[in-house]
Amino acid sequence: DTGVSQNPRHKITKRGQNVTFRCDPISEHNRLYWYRQTLGQGPEFLTYFQNEAQLEKSRLLSDRFSAERPKGSFSTLEIQRTEQGDSAMYLCCTGAVVGYTFGSGTRLTVV
Amino acid sequence: KNEVEQSPQNLTAQEGEFITINCSYSVGISALHWLQQHPGGGIVSLFMLSSGKKKHGRLIATINIQEKHSSLHITASHPRDSAVYICASIAGAGSYQLTFGKGTKLSVIP
Repeated sequence: DTGVSQNPRHKITKRGQNVTFRCDPISEHNRLYWYRQTLGQGPEFLTYFQNEAQLEKSRLLSDRFSAERPKGSFSTLEIQRTEQGDSAMYLCCTGAVVGYTFGSGTRLTVV
Repeated sequence: KNEVEQSPQNLTAQEGEFITINCSYSVGISALHWLQQHPGGGIVSLFMLSSGKKKHGRLIATINIQEKHSSLHITASHPRDSAVYICASIAGAGSYQLTFGKGTKLSVIP
């Protein structure tokens, strides 16, 4: 139990469909990050929230991607009109002064 | 732009061997994180350090800020240590986002 919960663990979707992932962070952590990891690579930064405010977005986050963190609690990452290149592990991470905690990730496969 | 390089990319060791994984980064950082990732994707934090050395069980992490280099050592390696080990640098300001290396895949053979 890492303290950061991500759902679903796995998602298989057809190209063109929309998908939404959820991250429930450690309640005391006000920083929340989304990363994307493709096979054989380290995770890459997608976006960052400080409480409910989305303060930073990577250029990797195309206009098909949107993330929210209403009320500074859980966060959602939505991908519209999925493409095969979106297949990856999507990791949620929360941060505090003492360190970072990762969720188990959502593995997306676009067929 | 900060770049994080790890070596080796792949490492196979016999059980009981002493293992070293290296990490270099290109710009000044506030801290460095060592992480362990098992098949299936879950990432576990091992160490976060900004200077000197930290030890936890058979794991030791060191960092040299001047040389922009960190090492992760595993003493008396065991097959259960088999995993991908990733180092990630932490930016000094702003979002404190992590910049990750590509990881070192460690296989410990009985």
